[in-house]
Amino acid sequence: DGGITQSPKYLFRKEGQNVTLSCEQNLNHDAMYWYRQDPGQGLRLIYYSQIVNDFQKGDIAEGYSVSREKKESFPLTVTSAQKNPTAFYLCASSTPRGDPPSGELFFGEGSRLTVL
Amino acid sequence: GNSVTQMEGPVTLSEEAFLTINCTYTATGYPSLFWYVQYPGEGLQLLLKATKADDKGSNKGFEATYRKETTSFHLEKGSVQVSDSAVYFCALGGAGSARQLTFGSGTQLTVLP
Repeated sequence: DGGITQSPKYLFRKEGQNVTLSCEQNLNHDAMYWYRQDPGQGLRLIYYSQIVNDFQKGDIAEGYSVSREKKESFPLTVTSAQKNPTAFYLCASSTPRGDPPSGELFFGEGSRLTVL
Repeated sequence: GNSVTQMEGPVTLSEEAFLTINCTYTATGYPSLFWYVQYPGEGLQLLLKATKADDKGSNKGFEATYRKETTSFHLEKGSVQVSDSAVYFCALGGAGSARQLTFGSGTQLTVLP
């Protein structure tokens, strides 16, 4: 079945360590997104990519990095520079590449990162 | 900039009660409007959408009408079930030069048997 796969589902990290969250999609979508979800704050956009080898910062990009070497994959690295990384991270994709996009987002099941 | 304001939660209802979750927005141009639902421990799923003024989106007994004059997209259901317990997010997209969706803060709904 087509969809978005995020891994790992749960991840624990010590302070000062970088971690990478995986996001893979087999929907043949051009655009991919990373959101952070904190209790009571909704979703905040970290990074997005409209096409392979190109990505843009979202509202809260500091302390995060991404790459988009393949259409299917959009990994997110949470670096030691991120001051408060404990959160639920959601990856999403969409098919429209037009300006402006107005289509549906398809989400993965999320990765919960806890910093010890 | 674009923004979405949702009714504060949590909301607790008895089964078969009427549900309204308010959503208002600020945007340039003519955005599309969405309601997403998140069940416990899962990602978000699209519940319904409307792409122009006066459109009504509907799915699984839920409805929302795109009201340009009041910049609102309130979610309603006539008779909720325990299985509707989830977090509901209002979102807008395609407004101005924005290339991604803007989400509200979410409203937790609990339906009691």
